[in-house]
Amino acid sequence: QSALTQPPSASGSPGQSVTISCTGTSSDVGGYNYVSWYQQHPGKAPKLMIYEVSMRPSGVPDRFSGSKSGNTASLTVSGLQAEDEADYYCSSFAASNNFGVFGGGTKLTVL
Amino acid sequence: EVQLVQSGAEVKKPGESLKISCKASGYNFNTYWIGWVRQMPGKGLEWMGIIYPGDSDTRYSPSFQGQVTISADKSISTAYVQWSSLKASDTAIYYCVRRRGYVCDHWGQGTLVTVSS
Repeated sequence: QSALTQPPSASGSPGQSVTISCTGTSSDVGGYNYVSWYQQHPGKAPKLMIYEVSMRPSGVPDRFSGSKSGNTASLTVSGLQAEDEADYYCSSFAASNNFGVFGGGTKLTVL
Repeated sequence: EVQLVQSGAEVKKPGESLKISCKASGYNFNTYWIGWVRQMPGKGLEWMGIIYPGDSDTRYSPSFQGQVTISADKSISTAYVQWSSLKASDTAIYYCVRRRGYVCDHWGQGTLVTVSS
């Protein structure tokens, strides 16, 4: 199962908004509303930020939002803060396996 | 509070065996899938496999089938992944995760495995 496609890097200045894309196929992202996003700071474990395309777990700031159009899901971080600098991974249910599939990750830099 | 606490870092030689653990607390261990995810140095996340502790139903990613064994001990709410013969390419951080549906809602802190002669 091929990884979902994410841009390797994204950046924005404090206070700005940035959107990270995650492109799959109709057999994963496009076919199901089971897209999740994870944030990983250096040396730390990933943390769930968004699930089921646009749902936020308790404790995740509402600056983080998710959406989907066709085979592409997106994570938008509004009002960028220095602490948002991290790697972000998308994940989706995939019809072909029991686990789903991860994206390759995007390194978000806050300028 | 849900917690997944993994065993400590390991340094092994090629050909050695290894078993790392993930102890769960704060929820009913038997009723959620536990997965293992590999992160090689500087790389992304990869599924290794998942286990349902309630009945030990285990599924492996094709890349890891035959390379590792995933197990769980319900009596102590602990999941494991083991290798019978490590390779240098097994050097990575390994995370256990709790799966709620198709979501990894809780992650262990990770176990660094270094395989070097």
